[in-house]
Amino acid sequence: EVQLMESGGGLVKPGGSLRLSCAASGFPFSAAYMSWVRQAPGKGLEWVGRIKSKGDGGTIEYAAPVKGRFTISRDDSKSMLYLQINSLKTEDTAVYYCCWHLTVRFYMEVWGKGTTVTVSS
Amino acid sequence: EIVLTQSPDTLYLSPGERATLSCRASQSISSGYLAWYQQKSGQAPRLLISGASSRATGIPDRFSVSGSGTDFTLTISRVEAEDFAVYYCQQYDYSPYTFGQGTKVEIK
Repeated sequence: EVQLMESGGGLVKPGGSLRLSCAASGFPFSAAYMSWVRQAPGKGLEWVGRIKSKGDGGTIEYAAPVKGRFTISRDDSKSMLYLQINSLKTEDTAVYYCCWHLTVRFYMEVWGKGTTVTVSS
Repeated sequence: EIVLTQSPDTLYLSPGERATLSCRASQSISSGYLAWYQQKSGQAPRLLISGASSRATGIPDRFSVSGSGTDFTLTISRVEAEDFAVYYCQQYDYSPYTFGQGTKVEIK
């Protein structure tokens, strides 16, 4: 069974940093394309960024609102996906989901349960 | 960026009724690269259907999709109690991979 488990969320002051983690199991992680998606309280879904497998170049793309502040990385030896978030803003307050792409098409086959990031002074 | 507009915002239905949810794109989505997700209160979204008609594992056949170009529809043939939720469309033709704002299916 494919499982994704996010962690690392919490309460952070504006301007702070946080690193979110996603532990993956049940599929060949090293070959996987992965994304982060977030959802602000009471709002819809927003794609944050995605990383390809190293075998396919490991390229990373980001949504415009987070480019330059967010960094996606992966550790295939640990089946872990990461999201480093710097210079946090109140508008980054959201539940952050880790998602697996079954194919090279970027729809979200499986979602984790999410981890909550709250940015407040 | 492709903007997806879903309608209606809220759909009030009784169990057994047919649900028709619309997703309109600001530009043509080639090859039907559109997915639909269901999100129940307090839960993560889950994939319903990707592409032209590929239902995800465990998704009943009362869920179907149609459309092409800029206009797409998710249909629930007979709504059951477990189907009351928020539904999102997402295009994965062009980056950024945008979502619609969601349609909430509520009990009438």
